[in-house]
Amino acid sequence: DGGITQSPKYLFRKEGQNVTLSCEQNLNHDAMYWYRQDPGQGLRLIYYSQIVNDFQKGDIAEGYSVSREKKESFPLTVTSAQKNPTAFYLCASSPGGLGANVLTFGAGSRLTVL
Amino acid sequence: GNSVTQMEGPVTLSEEAFLTINCTYTATGYPSLFWYVQYPGEGLQLLLKATKADDKGSNKGFEATYRKETTSFHLEKGSVQVSDSAVYFCALSDGGSGGYQKVTFGTGTKLQVIP
Repeated sequence: DGGITQSPKYLFRKEGQNVTLSCEQNLNHDAMYWYRQDPGQGLRLIYYSQIVNDFQKGDIAEGYSVSREKKESFPLTVTSAQKNPTAFYLCASSPGGLGANVLTFGAGSRLTVL
Repeated sequence: GNSVTQMEGPVTLSEEAFLTINCTYTATGYPSLFWYVQYPGEGLQLLLKATKADDKGSNKGFEATYRKETTSFHLEKGSVQVSDSAVYFCALSDGGSGGYQKVTFGTGTKLQVIP
């Protein structure tokens, strides 16, 4: 079955460490996204990518970095510059054309800073 | 900019009760409207959508009608089940076709259905 795989599901980080969250999709979707979810705040867009080797900052990109070297993969690095990284991170994708606004989500990765 | 406002939760209902979760939006142009559902510990899933005024989206007994005159997209279900317990997100996207269309989410409404 096609879908989005995020790993790890749970991740613990010490302050000052960078961590990378994996996101892989086999839906052949052009666009991929990273969202951050905090209680009571809904979803906020971190980065998005419409095509390979291109990505754009979302609303809260500071302290995060991404790459899009393959269509299937869009990893997110949470750097030590992110002041409050504890959150639930969701990766999503969407096809091009008329379906570009319908998002398919992964199951999420929960990051906790110790 | 675009925005989505949802009723605050949690909403607690008994099984077989009628559900309404209110959603209103602010947007320029002609956005598409969505309801997504998130079950505990999971990502979001598309529940239903509507792309133009007066469209009704429906799925799994849930319905929502795109009301341009009141800028609303309220979610309804006639008889909820325990398995409907989840967080529901209203969302909108810019109009147009292809390319990047920013999706704006509401803050989510938690629904608890008790037997």
